[in-house]
This record gives sequence, C-alpha cells and structure tokens, in this order.
Amino acid sequence: GQNIDQPTEMTATEGAIVQINCTYQTSGFNGLFWYQQHAGEAPTFLSYNVLDGLEEKGRFSSFLSRSKGYSYLLLKELQMKDSASYLCAVRGGLSGGSYIPTFGRGTSLIVHP
Amino acid sequence: DGGITQSPKYLFRKEGQNVTLSCEQNLNHDAMYWYRQDPGQGLRLIYYSQIVNDFQKGDIAEGYSVSREKKESFPLTVTSAQKNPTAFYLCASSIMGGRTSGANVLTFGAGSRLTVL
Repeated sequence: GQNIDQPTEMTATEGAIVQINCTYQTSGFNGLFWYQQHAGEAPTFLSYNVLDGLEEKGRFSSFLSRSKGYSYLLLKELQMKDSASYLCAVRGGLSGGSYIPTFGRGTSLIVHP
Repeated sequence: DGGITQSPKYLFRKEGQNVTLSCEQNLNHDAMYWYRQDPGQGLRLIYYSQIVNDFQKGDIAEGYSVSREKKESFPLTVTSAQKNPTAFYLCASSIMGGRTSGANVLTFGAGSRLTVL
C-alpha cells in the first residue's frame, strides 16, 4: 500500500518563505510530483524529483530524500496568488503495467497581506 | 492550443440516474485517467487507460464505468450504483514511457462538478 502525509493547512505572509512537507511510505519509488491547485480549478504541474537533492525553478524549489521518505516544496517571495492547495504525488512500483501516481490529501496554503 | 476538455462543468443528477462525463484530449497522449476529489480527501483514482480499448480499475472503481474507443476520448459514466456520487471529477492524460521523467506528468482538465439532488 501507499501512505502519503501532508499538513492540511498552512498560513504565511506575503513576501515570506514557506515550506510544505510531504512524507511517504510506498511499495517501490519512482518519483515524486508536486502540483498546485487553485480552488475549483485543475491541478497544474510544478515539479518532479526522482533523485535526492534540491530542484530549483524560479520562486519554487522541491527537495527529496529517498532514504527518509521525505520531500518538501519551498515557496519564496510569497505572493497572494500563491494561495492554493499543493498536492504531493508519489509514483510507486509497477502496478498493472504502469507507474500510477498516488496523491496525498493536499495542503491548503493561505497567504495574507 | 492542446489540452483537455471536460464537459459539462456542472451537472445535477437525480438519485437513480446514470450520467456520463465527457473528456477529450488533443495532446496525443496515450494514457488517460479519471480522479474523484472530495473535500479533505485529495485525488482518488477511479479508472485509467493506457491504450485504446483497454482500461484498468483504480482504487474506487465501484459504481463507475468507462470506455476508450478512441485515443482522444475517455468518458466516465457514474451509475446509480455509486452511493455517494456528489464530487468534483477530474480527467487527466499523460505520455507513457515507464519511469522516465516525462511519463505520468499529468495534464488535467478543468473538472466536472456533479451534484446529486
């Protein structure tokens, strides 16, 4: 089975830095994804990690430690438009001929002025 | 522009009725997926398909059915057997390719919100 944990909700101030954690226990591991979802809209892809370390993409960075089953998404210079839900998804082992990602429950981030 | 189109955006259903949600993509993706999203539950996989005329059950397939007659289309039918169908339904697609970095990066449609009256 697969178990993915994220905090339910976080709040932060505009201009600050916030770190959203994701821990996972899966049978097999073949990559971890982060998606952003604004209320009532479709999720959009943010980042993908398969090797240990930090991947930086503008204001957003994602970190992975496979030995600890741990990832975080780091958002810098927060803007009001960053208020959204952030979904962690893990691609586990081969199942039915495919590597289907399993999603966590998402972290709702509220950015206030 | 390429993308995924879901329709209708909002749908109301009476108890005992079947309804079909449409999903069409022009990204030339082989794989298509249906997810259900409830408040506080994250995304749960209903069905997925990797090739035309073939599909697999996900974690919560009971009460749902799908077809994949064309590469571009993957409609979902919510049957009367689904006991709690009120939810936000998301269709997605991706390239295949095993464990490569691009594989399974999902492109989502805008979603269909189903409410049972």
